[in-house]
Amino acid sequence: DTAVSQTPKYLVTQMGNDKSIKCEQNLGHDTMYWYKQDSKKFLKIMFSYNNKELIINETVPNRFSPKSPDKAHLNLHINSLELGDSAVYFCASSLAGGSTGELFFGEGSRLTVL
Amino acid sequence: ILNVEQSPQSLHVQEGDSTNFTCSFPSSNFYALHWYRWETAKSPEALFVMTLNGDEKKKGRISATLNTKEGYSYLYIKGSQPEDSATYLCAFLSGAGSYQLTFGKGTKLSVIP
Repeated sequence: DTAVSQTPKYLVTQMGNDKSIKCEQNLGHDTMYWYKQDSKKFLKIMFSYNNKELIINETVPNRFSPKSPDKAHLNLHINSLELGDSAVYFCASSLAGGSTGELFFGEGSRLTVL
Repeated sequence: ILNVEQSPQSLHVQEGDSTNFTCSFPSSNFYALHWYRWETAKSPEALFVMTLNGDEKKKGRISATLNTKEGYSYLYIKGSQPEDSATYLCAFLSGAGSYQLTFGKGTKLSVIP
């Protein structure tokens, strides 16, 4: 059973569209995250979220929004997609936000905006 | 903006050689330092989480040390094998602010059989 799973793995779409990437974890973790791997292969935090607190990286455009229907899911919704949004997006989870616990990553979702 | 630097950026070693790489991070507000191994076409997997100055951790042929006062950690691989080929990421967790990990750009290791 995959611990952190993301869908879709690949997404190709046109500029201006709205799209979502789903993430689910079956580890019972309290905190989930979205990371963006930029063009230089650098992992950058976008959001961290537990059922108490959403922390948004201030550099993330407000076209990006996390949506969490429950503790095991954190979906990433992107409005009005732009060319520069093309990247690989990684979901992750950890035991508790603010702890030293290791992150468990999903396999990534490659978004291509045409 | 927290600065986490890793060196070298990439490294080629012969099978059987031992190697090491460096992660530098801010020496103030230290909370934890993570090391991850990231194989191509897979997701990053945690190797170590280190929290105390002077910590040394070991997993098989891979070990890591931590110096929080001067802001660096070393990752060592003894007797490198082709399956060790991967990108090794370190990530710094600050005790100030939002408790979010800041990743370095990684060291890409290629082990030549």
